[in-house]
Amino acid sequence: TQLLEQSPQFLSIQEGENLTVYCNSSSVFSSLQWYRQEPGEGPVLLVTVVTGGEVKKLKRLTFQFGDARKDSSLHITAAQPGDTGLYLCAGPTSGTYKYIFGTGTRLKVLA
Amino acid sequence: NAGVTQTPKFQVLKTGQSMTLQCAQDMNHEYMSWYRQDPGMGLRLIHYSVGAGITDQGEVPNGYNVSRSTTEDFPLRLLSAAPSQTSVYFCASIRGETQYFGPGTRLLVL
Repeated sequence: TQLLEQSPQFLSIQEGENLTVYCNSSSVFSSLQWYRQEPGEGPVLLVTVVTGGEVKKLKRLTFQFGDARKDSSLHITAAQPGDTGLYLCAGPTSGTYKYIFGTGTRLKVLA
Repeated sequence: NAGVTQTPKFQVLKTGQSMTLQCAQDMNHEYMSWYRQDPGMGLRLIHYSVGAGITDQGEVPNGYNVSRSTTEDFPLRLLSAAPSQTSVYFCASIRGETQYFGPGTRLLVL
């Protein structure tokens, strides 16, 4: 059974600080995705990483896919209150459209 | 485009009652999924569909039925609600590697 474990579960930081969220598995994934979810809404896709070692940047957010395609990280530079939300990683199981999700990291950025 | 819509937004049921959660998408996507989200457990796949007339089970299918008679609609049925089905339910449609989620239905089973 493929599992995705995220850490930390909760993170509360001051505006301007940097942070990194991790998504780890013992299984290889063909791709991993990162979503952000705000209260009362569905998750919204931020990025998909496909190639081992790939790095993608989205403004102040940097996403990396591990060389072995078993893990990924999300780094936020100079966090802002607007970054507050639940961050989820997700990946397709065995090349299907059956996605599994990590347990999520709840981020709160204080002004 | 409305994207993915879900109704109702909130529902209270008594144990043993049945209901249908509605999901519709106007993007002509073949793939659709239903998830439930519980505190500390992320999203778990209930059922999914790869096209009209084709459905399959996900990680937690027990207690739920689905059907897909059209590309647009993918309803989720609870035949006999149980308190363990209290959760937030999300429907998603998929194009390529992007999942588009609806706003969710919050279900409380007493």
